[in-house]
Amino acid sequence: DTEVTQTPKHLVMGMTNKKSLKCEQHMGHRAMYWYKQKAKKPPELMFVYSYEKLSINESVPSRFSPECPNSSLLNLHLHALQPEDSALYLCASRQKIGTTDSPLHFGNGTRLTVT
Amino acid sequence: KQEVTQIPAALSVPEGENLVLNCSFTDSAIYNLQWFRQDPGKGLTSLLLIQSSQREQTSGRLNASLDKSSGRSTLYIAASQPGDSATYLCAVRNSGGYQKVTFGIGTKLQVIP
Repeated sequence: DTEVTQTPKHLVMGMTNKKSLKCEQHMGHRAMYWYKQKAKKPPELMFVYSYEKLSINESVPSRFSPECPNSSLLNLHLHALQPEDSALYLCASRQKIGTTDSPLHFGNGTRLTVT
Repeated sequence: KQEVTQIPAALSVPEGENLVLNCSFTDSAIYNLQWFRQDPGKGLTSLLLIQSSQREQTSGRLNASLDKSSGRSTLYIAASQPGDSATYLCAVRNSGGYQKVTFGIGTKLQVIP
């Protein structure tokens, strides 16, 4: 079982809907990530939060809006998505960002379909 | 720009066989390399993490090696089992201020009973 929990597992939304993806970890990790993965492709980094502050935005369109309300939670707010945004959205966490390294831990993802 | 390549793209072996998956990267200035497995429609499960100063890591039937100077890593799976069937991805974490993780496209492994 993964220690990073993502909800919902599946989400179908229309292009005019507003929805949110949630990610939770209780490992005390202070770095949290959103990745997007299309079929048969590697994960692509979207956002990185370090100590609850956004540290990396990989030029992601504004229809994706991340939020880190506390050290255990990470949200991804979705609005006015396009069908091409359909993908598996993965959350990951790491013990900390810095010179001392630790592995990335991934959740099972949210399978998003935009109709 | 870091580029990560994994060969082969797909591999099918009979149960019990030992096998090697390959990963190569273009920029040797890395902090670490991590191997993951991904089952269809699921997230990534961390298998092994090798720091840049290390040569190999072992966990059970898995052994990962790293040759940073040549930009190569291998994942060795001993006595393969049908439950090992999955896609295996390697990911390289670059050194420097950005510390971005770059993934390979993966090797899809099928172990035939």
